[in-house]
Amino acid sequence: GQNIDQPTEMTATEGAIVQINCTYQTSGFNGLFWYQQHAGEAPTFLSYNVLDGLEEKGRFSSFLSRSKGYSYLLLKELQMKDSASYLCAVKDSNYQLIWGAGTKLIIKP
Amino acid sequence: GAVVSQHPSRVICKSGTSVKIECRSLDFQATTMFWYRQFPKQSLMLMATSNEGSKATYEQGVEKDKFLINHASLTLSTLTVTSAHPEDSSFYICSASTSRGSSEAFFGQGTRLTVV
Repeated sequence: GQNIDQPTEMTATEGAIVQINCTYQTSGFNGLFWYQQHAGEAPTFLSYNVLDGLEEKGRFSSFLSRSKGYSYLLLKELQMKDSASYLCAVKDSNYQLIWGAGTKLIIKP
Repeated sequence: GAVVSQHPSRVICKSGTSVKIECRSLDFQATTMFWYRQFPKQSLMLMATSNEGSKATYEQGVEKDKFLINHASLTLSTLTVTSAHPEDSSFYICSASTSRGSSEAFFGQGTRLTVV
């Protein structure tokens, strides 16, 4: 079966750095996505990786290793507004998005 | 990025009635639209995939007669929850893409449905 694993919850301090990991097992691979979702709102796009390596976009970076079925989202200079759920999703061979359960990130002052 | 508008954002309906949710792509043509349901503290669950001008493809366990999807144009898809029951209360989200290989799915704002 297809599976995406990410931690259920993480806690970090304002101003610090946090890394959210995601491992996947899917039938085929056509890209990995990270989305941010605040409670009661729809997800918003953060990043997309289809090749191995690090993609940097401001305070957020995303890394992919296809051979290991592994990705992480790195958030720097954490702000209180970064408190949200972070969803990892993979497009499989049918271009269907397979979603992880999300990681709830709690930022403390 | 592209904009997807979903309406209404919140709806409360009586048990047994039907509710229609609209999803519009405002500045691009969406060949494919996806409908998701999300229960509290859970991830997105794909309900169905709709392609313009053809019947929607429903995921296993999703009743097609209960969740009617219409994708009549390249900018509009609708989800109708028929004969709603309290267990249908959930957060419904649509997303749209321009092609299967699109590098991003654009999401609507979501609809919070409460059936009383």
